[in-house]
Amino acid sequence: EDQVTQSPEALRLQEGESSSLNCSYTVSGLRGLFWYRQDPGKGPEFLFTLYSAGEEKEKERLKATLTKKESFLHITAPKPEDSATYLCAVQARGTSYDKVIFGPGTSLSVIP
Amino acid sequence: DTEVTQTPKHLVMGMTNKKSLKCEQHMGHRAMYWYKQKAKKPPELMFVYSYEKLSINESVPSRFSPECPNSSLLNLHLHALQPEDSALYLCASSADRVQTEAFFGQGTRLTVV
Repeated sequence: EDQVTQSPEALRLQEGESSSLNCSYTVSGLRGLFWYRQDPGKGPEFLFTLYSAGEEKEKERLKATLTKKESFLHITAPKPEDSATYLCAVQARGTSYDKVIFGPGTSLSVIP
Repeated sequence: DTEVTQTPKHLVMGMTNKKSLKCEQHMGHRAMYWYKQKAKKPPELMFVYSYEKLSINESVPSRFSPECPNSSLLNLHLHALQPEDSALYLCASSADRVQTEAFFGQGTRLTVV
């Protein structure tokens, strides 16, 4: 069964303390992996798309990487404004259409 | 313009009311989506429109009725909802249905009383 999990469920960091969020997936055929950021009560904001193992993308303090079974979102020297829920989504080949499966998210709090 | 606009931002409705949620994008995207999100849960796909035609219905109850009047607009008509339908309703769009790098609106916070 296609599945996407994220860890940790919640993460508290001091400002400037770098860390990584994990997204693990089990799908029949990966078409793409997406990272989104979501602030409370708002819609998800698109961050990155990764398509193949070994691919990396960067944006400001964020860097996303992809292997055959998981993706990492590295946050370097985070600031309080990076506090949000980070969602991973996987586009997988389905029998009749390509499914998009969201992970449960990691809630990140960055403390000043 | 990478914006998806949803109205209203908040909606309170009774179980016998009929209301509509609206979504608009001007990015030239040909796929548009409705998602439902409950608190502390990820978004759940409800409907997908591709080139203004309904292509995916994720077994959503008939009290939710989508409509795509043109390539820029997406509506969700609501009728006889239940309190458990209270949630954040998100609209999203992408260039096409195959590419699901989606851009989301800010959502409509729906409360059914």
